[in-house]
Amino acid sequence: QQQVKQSPQSLIVQKGGISIINCAYENTAFDYFPWYQQFPGKGPALLIAIRPDVSEKKEGRFTISFNKSAKQFSLHIMDSQPGDSATYFCAATPGGAGSYQLTFGKGTKLSVIP
Amino acid sequence: GAVVSQHPSWVICKSGTSVKIECRSLDFQATTMFWYRQFPKQSLMLMATSNEGSKATYEQGVEKDKFLINHASLTLSTLTVTSAHPEDSSFYICSAWPGDNYGYTFGSGTRLTVV
Repeated sequence: QQQVKQSPQSLIVQKGGISIINCAYENTAFDYFPWYQQFPGKGPALLIAIRPDVSEKKEGRFTISFNKSAKQFSLHIMDSQPGDSATYFCAATPGGAGSYQLTFGKGTKLSVIP
Repeated sequence: GAVVSQHPSWVICKSGTSVKIECRSLDFQATTMFWYRQFPKQSLMLMATSNEGSKATYEQGVEKDKFLINHASLTLSTLTVTSAHPEDSSFYICSAWPGDNYGYTFGSGTRLTVV
């Protein structure tokens, strides 16, 4: 049973455009929602994370929007650049204190074309 | 910053041999570490949760006798793939939690190829 559903599977965006990736979860015990960026042959790197007590969090060009009632959250990448081309994973966990594993979405391969 | 160091970054071994992968937390102590496996173009799948000083907890379907995990100190967890076979070829990644400011931090991964 997939607990975190991520879409789209792949995304092509022109340079300067907005990239939007969506995730939906089922487990209401989840209370920490990070987004990771992964380049080929590398481990995932944390981009930004949010907890359910806020509806939006922005860090630089990256914004998470969170809708607790709909059990959905999304990543927006503003002014997308070719260097943003990577695979993005949403994730969730019931505890942010490091005791529980992350459950990952299936990933979105983003290609930003010049 | 908090870094999770993983070694080696890649390894090729012959079928039937064993391979050890190390995961170290730098500048922080990790009571718990997580081991994931990732096949090409797929997501990360949790294999096991490693707890310092106690036995690891394995996910359903993961052979604990094949994937030996040792978390002997607060900064080191090791994954040993025993009697490796070509189907064990994959990308193995460890993770730990340095704290709220860093979130779950991942190692750089180990590409295992069994020939």
